[in-house]
Amino acid sequence: DSGVTQTPKHLITATGQRVTLRCSPRSGDLSVYWYQQSLDQGLQFLIQYYNGEERAKGNILERFSAQQFPDLHSELNLSSLELGDSALYFCASSEPRDREMNTEAFFGQGTRLTVV
Amino acid sequence: QKEVEQDPGPLSVPEGAIVSLNCTYSNSAFQYFMWYRQYSRKGPELLMYTYSSGNKEDGRFTAQVDKSSKYISLFIRDSQPSDSATYLCAMRANQAGTALIFGKGTTLSVSS
Repeated sequence: DSGVTQTPKHLITATGQRVTLRCSPRSGDLSVYWYQQSLDQGLQFLIQYYNGEERAKGNILERFSAQQFPDLHSELNLSSLELGDSALYFCASSEPRDREMNTEAFFGQGTRLTVV
Repeated sequence: QKEVEQDPGPLSVPEGAIVSLNCTYSNSAFQYFMWYRQYSRKGPELLMYTYSSGNKEDGRFTAQVDKSSKYISLFIRDSQPSDSATYLCAMRANQAGTALIFGKGTTLSVSS
């Protein structure tokens, strides 16, 4: 168990709908990262938050948004869903206690989103 | 050309074999190199983390980085059935504010 909790584990929804994925990082970790994993694209970085503020942005669609709350949990909002948004969405967390290693060390088990 | 290339396999070996997994990359700015293991229906798990060129060893795992050739490797000695998983290489240019770029992963199967 990585200590990163993602809910829900599975989500099935229709095209055009909006969903919210939730991530609770490991206790004390200030950084949260969101990734999308699909068969054809592999793992793609979406966005990173650090202590409530956006730190880095990847190939995140405008229909997607995220935020990190004061208690450090994060939510990824996906709207106007399309069939192609079906994928596994992972959250990862880290805390650079060791300055030499600051990377996505701990991944959650993911949310499998199916858009029908 | 993709930034990170990784042979998807599958790679099948008998228990006890030495496994070599590789990635090539095109961006010479990459300085941080990682290997992750992902079991089916689970999240990736960080195995090895290397900065710049050189070797790093951790138990049965050895990571090698050759920046001049833009080539990284992960060696697994005395492979076990529990090593059966997908192995993902990943890399980034700087510590903060840049995306971690993943390979698509190599699926490894170790038979007993």
